[in-house]
Amino acid sequence: DIQMTQSPSSLSASVGDRVTITCRASQSISSYLNWYQQKPGKAPKLLIYAASSLQSGVPSRFSGSGSGTDFTLTISSLQPEDFATYYCQQSYSTLPFTFGPGTKVDIK
Amino acid sequence: EVQLVESGGGLVQPGGSLRLSCAASGFTFSSYWMSWVRQAPGKGLEWVANIKQDGSEKYYVDSVKGRFTISRDNAKNSLYLQMNSLRAEDTAVYYCARVGLYYYDSSGYYAFDIWGQGTMVTVSS
Repeated sequence: DIQMTQSPSSLSASVGDRVTITCRASQSISSYLNWYQQKPGKAPKLLIYAASSLQSGVPSRFSGSGSGTDFTLTISSLQPEDFATYYCQQSYSTLPFTFGPGTKVDIK
Repeated sequence: EVQLVESGGGLVQPGGSLRLSCAASGFTFSSYWMSWVRQAPGKGLEWVANIKQDGSEKYYVDSVKGRFTISRDNAKNSLYLQMNSLRAEDTAVYYCARVGLYYYDSSGYYAFDIWGQGTMVTVSS
C-alpha cells in the first residue's frame, strides 16, 4: 500500500498569512494527489485534484503543486473560513485510496 | 442539487450487524463509482470500500474484508454498506462519497467530489 504523510500535523496562523502544507507519498504517484478541507462536524470538501487543478467553486487563494512523491497545498492569504483540517489523498492506485493523517490549521 | 444522504447508523453491540444506506439525488447515480469512507472519533479519514457503476467490481480495505459488503441499487439511486461482526474499532462516522473522474492533461483522475453528511456508528456493549 502507498503510505501518505503530511507536515506539519498542526499549525497556528493569522488571517492574511501565507500557509503551506506538505504531503509526501511513500512511492511515486505522478500527479494523482487530491486535497480536502474538513471543518469540525462537517464532511470533507474537495479542494484540488490532480495535484494542482482547482475544484469548481474553490477560491483561487488555494493552490496545489508537486508531482512524484512531494506535494504542497498553499493558501495565499488565510481567511477566517479557512481554519480547518486539510487532508491529502492519493488516487494513483485504486486499492486503497489512502489519505494522509491531516494538518490542522488554527488561529494564532 | 447534487446530494448524498446517509442513514442507518446507531449503537450496536460487538459482534452485531448494521446496514447503512445512502440516497443519491441530483446526478446520474449509475454513472459513478461510489465509496464509503469512515472517520473514527478524533481521527483521520479512512477509505472503506468502492463499488463500480454496475456493481460488478467491489473493493475493500483489509480491515473490513469478509465482514462488510458494499452494494448499490441504481434503480433506487442508493448505496449500501452491510456491516457484520462489528468491532469496537469500527466505531466511526461513515460517509458515502461519489468518485468523480476528472480529465486533466490527457489523463483521468479520481477524487471524492461529493460527500454525504455522515452517519455515526458506535460499537459498544
